[in-house]
Amino acid sequence: GDSVTQMEGPVTLSEEAFLTINCTYTATGYPSLFWYVQYPGEGLQLLLKATKADDKGSNKGFEATYRKETTSFHLEKGSVQVSDSAVYFCALSARGSTLGRLYFGRGTQLTVWP
Amino acid sequence: DTAVSQTPKYLVTQMGNDKSIKCEQNLGHDTMYWYKQDSKKFLKIMFSYNNKELIINETVPNRFSPKSPDKAHLNLHINSLELGDSAVYFCASSPGLAGGTGELFFGEGSRLTVL
Repeated sequence: GDSVTQMEGPVTLSEEAFLTINCTYTATGYPSLFWYVQYPGEGLQLLLKATKADDKGSNKGFEATYRKETTSFHLEKGSVQVSDSAVYFCALSARGSTLGRLYFGRGTQLTVWP
Repeated sequence: DTAVSQTPKYLVTQMGNDKSIKCEQNLGHDTMYWYKQDSKKFLKIMFSYNNKELIINETVPNRFSPKSPDKAHLNLHINSLELGDSAVYFCASSPGLAGGTGELFFGEGSRLTVL
């Protein structure tokens, strides 16, 4: 079945460090891929998305490229800030899904220290 | 105005009790969802309604009963609460079925603690 695997956290970085959070997926066909972010005490928000192979999603300095050959969608940011501390979720939806089901990874906690 | 609002935000209750969580969205969306987030942050869909019609019903104990009186509201009633029901329950909505754009709009969550 469809699933998403994320690197286990927690990830702890100093401000201005480079961030990578790995995400790989298993799906039949070509799914759409997403990164969501959950700030403390809040619900999840869509951070970025990519709907086909080689697409790059980007937002707020974060980027992720849809790699079909490695079934990956790793999240990167060149210089993290304290305000980026949150839980990050990779997710997929099966193309042509009539049910609208999203499959989420287990989330990766990021803590950025000043 | 909060786009997706849930009440209550916190709920502490005893095993065996019955409780409800309410959700309302003012985005004009057709589809609403309930997700459960466990203590390890794992997020799993429970139910989905599209225009008041149940379209996703995951393997959830029948103690959980969703109700959608109209497309702006989706409530969750839980009977005979058990310790394992302790979690954060998120309501979400999307303009259509989320498989299209993948964008869900989440509420702030309702933290349920069963003692």
